[in-house]
Amino acid sequence: AQRVTQPEKLLSVFKGAPVELKCNYSYSGSPELFWYVQYSRQRLQLLLRHISRESIKGFTADLNKGETSFHLKKPFAQEEDSAMYYCALNSLGNEKLTFGTGTRLTIIP
Amino acid sequence: KAGVTQTPRYLIKTRGQQVTLSCSPISGHRSVSWYQQTPGQGLQFLFEYFSETQRNKGNFPGRFSGRQFSNSRSEMNVSTLELGDSALYLCASTTRGINTGELFFGEGSRLTVL
Repeated sequence: AQRVTQPEKLLSVFKGAPVELKCNYSYSGSPELFWYVQYSRQRLQLLLRHISRESIKGFTADLNKGETSFHLKKPFAQEEDSAMYYCALNSLGNEKLTFGTGTRLTIIP
Repeated sequence: KAGVTQTPRYLIKTRGQQVTLSCSPISGHRSVSWYQQTPGQGLQFLFEYFSETQRNKGNFPGRFSGRQFSNSRSEMNVSTLELGDSALYLCASTTRGINTGELFFGEGSRLTVL
């Protein structure tokens, strides 16, 4: 069975400080990892996916298969980063996403 | 392009009743997924449809069912409602599948069971 763990329900960071949202997964096969974000009063939307290896809004995430982690990082937090962040996993050929329980990030001005 | 549209947005039912929720995907999207979101369990996968076929199903009882029509619109039904079915039900669509494209979510249908 596949499982995604986000150990922090809440995370508060000062503006300008680095941000790291933790995500660990368990899956024996080859996973596809994603980060989704939900800003206040907006829909859940894709932030980034590991296969793209891109930086979106200053955020990056590296898949570490040895540690089974996919932590989301940003060097300098901005107030507009305050949102709910969900890590999600899909197994190859399995058309469903398993979400973590989410981390609410609050940026303190 | 119009986004994913879900109706109704809010509804209140009593235990034992049944409910049908509707989802219109983005034009051209053939894959529709349903998720249940609750404060305690977070987002849990219900099922996914592609070209009117259910390709995958989550661990929910048989009271939860769904279908997809030829125009890709989808409905989900919950029969014999229980208090624990109170949740936000999210629909998401994508072009071909989760691995190949991002999921576009609707605003959800908030179901309250009394």
